[in-house]
Amino acid sequence: GESVGLHLPTLSVQEGDNSIINCAYSNSASDYFIWYKQESGKGPQFIIDIRSNMDKRQGQRVTVLLNKTVKHLSLQIAATQPGDSAVYFCAEKLYGGSQGNLIFGKGTKLSVKP
Amino acid sequence: NAGVTQTPKFRILKIGQSMTLQCTQDMNHNYMYWYRQDPGMGLKLIYYSVGAGITDKGEVPNGYNVSRSTTEDFPLRLELAAPSQTSVYFCASSYSLGGNQPQHFGDGTRLSIL
Repeated sequence: GESVGLHLPTLSVQEGDNSIINCAYSNSASDYFIWYKQESGKGPQFIIDIRSNMDKRQGQRVTVLLNKTVKHLSLQIAATQPGDSAVYFCAEKLYGGSQGNLIFGKGTKLSVKP
Repeated sequence: NAGVTQTPKFRILKIGQSMTLQCTQDMNHNYMYWYRQDPGMGLKLIYYSVGAGITDKGEVPNGYNVSRSTTEDFPLRLELAAPSQTSVYFCASSYSLGGNQPQHFGDGTRLSIL
């Protein structure tokens, strides 16, 4: 199976509520994690990243939490807006990976209800 | 700043035909990547390049070829199109390979093989 996966394939939230999107990874050698947002017909757009030596990182309205003990990554979106509707992917990079490529999860579709 | 530009956006091919998917970036990134995204799935790495004149295989390279004659351009070639190559293809670039930097994506080429 894939190293990176998501607990929920779809998530529906009310506008203004906070959203939490979860991601599980199985490779403890991963040292870098990224969240991407993909709108319909577009390529993945970088949201936020976190290194394995950190537990939390905040951006504008978004927070990423990393729990290395249980190999869990989450993306929190504050005050979710209709423009946040998209598919969200987490990706991991293995430490020392010769390819430098990212391993992507299948994605969670976030729908925001007005 | 255009970022990563892919052409064409859509294409329909017949089985056995060949075509080249174009990708160019204006961020002076040394590292470039080609991914494919099948419906409901994450991205799979096809080929990547660490600089002009250097390319290497990713996870799913069979049926594809690449070249990197300049820093800016990284075309992907399909020599004998097969139905299994129906997918959305994304090109990406990044500042570093082994370092922890996000990859920046184009908006994709949607390819159907009939």
